[in-house]
Amino acid sequence: DAGVIQSPRHEVTEMGQEVTLRCKPISGHDYLFWYRQTMMRGLELLIYFNNNVPIDDSGMPEDRFSAKMPNASFSTLKIQPSEPRDSAVYFCASSVKNEQYFGPGTRLTVT
Amino acid sequence: GEDVEQSLFLSVREGDSSVINCTYTDSSSTYLYWYKQEPGAGLQLLTYIFSNMDMKQDQRLTVLLNKKDKHLSLRIADTQTGDSAIYFCAFSRNAGNMLTFGGGTRLMVKP
Repeated sequence: DAGVIQSPRHEVTEMGQEVTLRCKPISGHDYLFWYRQTMMRGLELLIYFNNNVPIDDSGMPEDRFSAKMPNASFSTLKIQPSEPRDSAVYFCASSVKNEQYFGPGTRLTVT
Repeated sequence: GEDVEQSLFLSVREGDSSVINCTYTDSSSTYLYWYKQEPGAGLQLLTYIFSNMDMKQDQRLTVLLNKKDKHLSLRIADTQTGDSAIYFCAFSRNAGNMLTFGGGTRLMVKP
C-alpha cells in the first residue's frame, strides 16, 4: 500500500493567488482529515470527511479556505486568495476504525 | 492543544530508556495515541491504547495509562539515535473520529 499521497510536496506562491492541495487517501479508509501545522499553533484540524461527506469544518480558518471530496479516492483543499499567514505544512490523513495515517504533507509558502 | 499537555524537550543518551509524558483533561477519551514525526515528514502512528487498558507493550515501546490522573506515557527502551524526533500524544472519543493532539515533545538522543 502506498499510504496517503499528497501533492504537491512543496508549493511557493504569491499572495493573492489560488492554491490547491491534493490528497489521495488509503484505499478502503472511510475518514479523511486535513490538518495544518505551524510552529506557533502546532497541529490544527481544519476539516474532516466521513464517506466523502464533510462532518466538521469548524477548524477552517475563514471563507478563503474550502475543501471537497468528490469521491472516496480524492480530496482537495483550496485557498483563494492565499495570504502569507497561510504559510504552513498541510497534512492529509485517512483512517479506518481507530487507526489514522498521515501523508507526507505539503509545505506551502506564500510570499 | 490546550486539552493535551506535553513537555517540550527531552534529551537522553543512546542506550538509555526514554520516557515521554502527556496529560490530558478530557475524561471521555476512548483511544490514546502516540505519533512520531521526523524532520520533513508526516506523523507516523507508533502505537495506541484503548482506555480500558493500563499498559501496552510493543517491542521497545511501552505505553502506560493512568486514567485517574489522566496521564499517558511512552517508554522507549534502549533508545537509538534513529529515535530522535518529535513525539505527539493524541486522543479521540470515537473510533475513526477526530484526534486532539498535544504540542509534541522533541526527543534528542546523544551518541
